[in-house]
Amino acid sequence: DAEITQSPRHKITETGRQVTLACHQTWNHNNMFWYRQDLGHGLRLIHYSYGVQDTNKGEVSDGYSVSRSNTEDLPLTLESAASSQTSVYFCASSRTGRTGELFFGEGSRLTVL
Amino acid sequence: SQQGEEDPQALSIQEGENATMNCSYKTSINNLQWYRQNSGRGLVHLILIRSNEREKHSGRLRVTLDTSKKSSSLLITASRAADTASYFCATASLKGGFKTIFGAGTRLFVKA
Repeated sequence: DAEITQSPRHKITETGRQVTLACHQTWNHNNMFWYRQDLGHGLRLIHYSYGVQDTNKGEVSDGYSVSRSNTEDLPLTLESAASSQTSVYFCASSRTGRTGELFFGEGSRLTVL
Repeated sequence: SQQGEEDPQALSIQEGENATMNCSYKTSINNLQWYRQNSGRGLVHLILIRSNEREKHSGRLRVTLDTSKKSSSLLITASRAADTASYFCATASLKGGFKTIFGAGTRLFVKA
């Protein structure tokens, strides 16, 4: 079955370190998204991509970067982790258009000490 | 900033009762979607309603959309303990790059 997987599922790191969260989908979806989820804020969009070599900033993109070298993967990099980036990160992809149903991964819980 | 705002923030009901959650948003939309999230899991899409639709059904779910009031409601009929989860509305807009923006969610607890 096609799916979307995130790794690692849990990570603890130190302030200032670079961290990369992986997202891999096997649906061949063009559209991929990264959200972070924090209590009281719901999900906030970090970055998104509508195809290979396309990346766009979301509402909370500072301190994060993404790259899209193929259809299946959209890794999220925290250049220099900060305690404010402790959160649960969700990757999602969509099949139909740019505003269609999103398929989510199971999330990556990141703790920055 | 969030586009959708759910109300109430939390809801506790008995099994068999109906659960109603509301969502209000600020700008014009292309569609509105409802998602469910079980504790510790990813979000799962429940239903999508387009801006030119007023009501949509899927099993025990009924969604209404009032674009003049910029609001939507999700009704879960004959709730079950397994419906215990957080429910999020998400609005998709053509403005600002076709992004889908989520609200903070409603936590539903269904007591057996």
